[in-house]
Amino acid sequence: DGGITQSPKYLFRKEGQNVTLSCEQNLNHDAMYWYRQDPGQGLRLIYYSQIVNDFQKGDIAEGYSVSREKKESFPLTVTSAQKNPTAFYLCAARAGLANTGELFFGEGSRLTVL
Amino acid sequence: AQSVTQLDSQVPVFEEAPVELRCNYSSSVSVYLFWYVQYPNQGLQLLLKYLSGSTLVKGINGFEAEFNKSQTSFHLRKPSVHISDTAEYFCAVSDLTPGTGNQFYFGTGTSLTVIP
Repeated sequence: DGGITQSPKYLFRKEGQNVTLSCEQNLNHDAMYWYRQDPGQGLRLIYYSQIVNDFQKGDIAEGYSVSREKKESFPLTVTSAQKNPTAFYLCAARAGLANTGELFFGEGSRLTVL
Repeated sequence: AQSVTQLDSQVPVFEEAPVELRCNYSSSVSVYLFWYVQYPNQGLQLLLKYLSGSTLVKGINGFEAEFNKSQTSFHLRKPSVHISDTAEYFCAVSDLTPGTGNQFYFGTGTSLTVIP
């Protein structure tokens, strides 16, 4: 099936540890995004990438890092510098000429810091 | 930057009754409009989208939305809801203004609860 695969679905982390969330897509879309979702706050953009080897900070990039070495992969690392990392993380990819299409989302990864 | 306002954070409605979820955005210049649905612990699924043309857009699961440029609104409607429609609904705007990177902006969501 074509789509976006996020792993793991659930992840627990101790304070002070870095953790990497995986996002893989087989849609052949150029643009990929990471969002953070907290209750009552909607989706907030962490990072996005419009082409391989290039990415831009979103609204809440502090404490996060990404890489885009391959078109199909856009992993997100939640570092120990992120003060409140417990949240639901969503990866998305975008279609369309000049990225004008809709976003396609993965199933999400729920990170809990113990 | 755009802002998207979903006026109701929670909407309870009885089964088979009609429902309207409201969405307003800040600027009508060069935008695409979307509604997404999210079930618990899942990603977002596209319900419908407005890119151009007819202002009444039909989507999946019997939903429809109307683009109103003068009121900068894109309200979502369904004439008769089912229990399975219980979910979180997000309105989103894609800003096509040159230089904005075609960014997506999301509302804070409306939680629809269908009561048997």
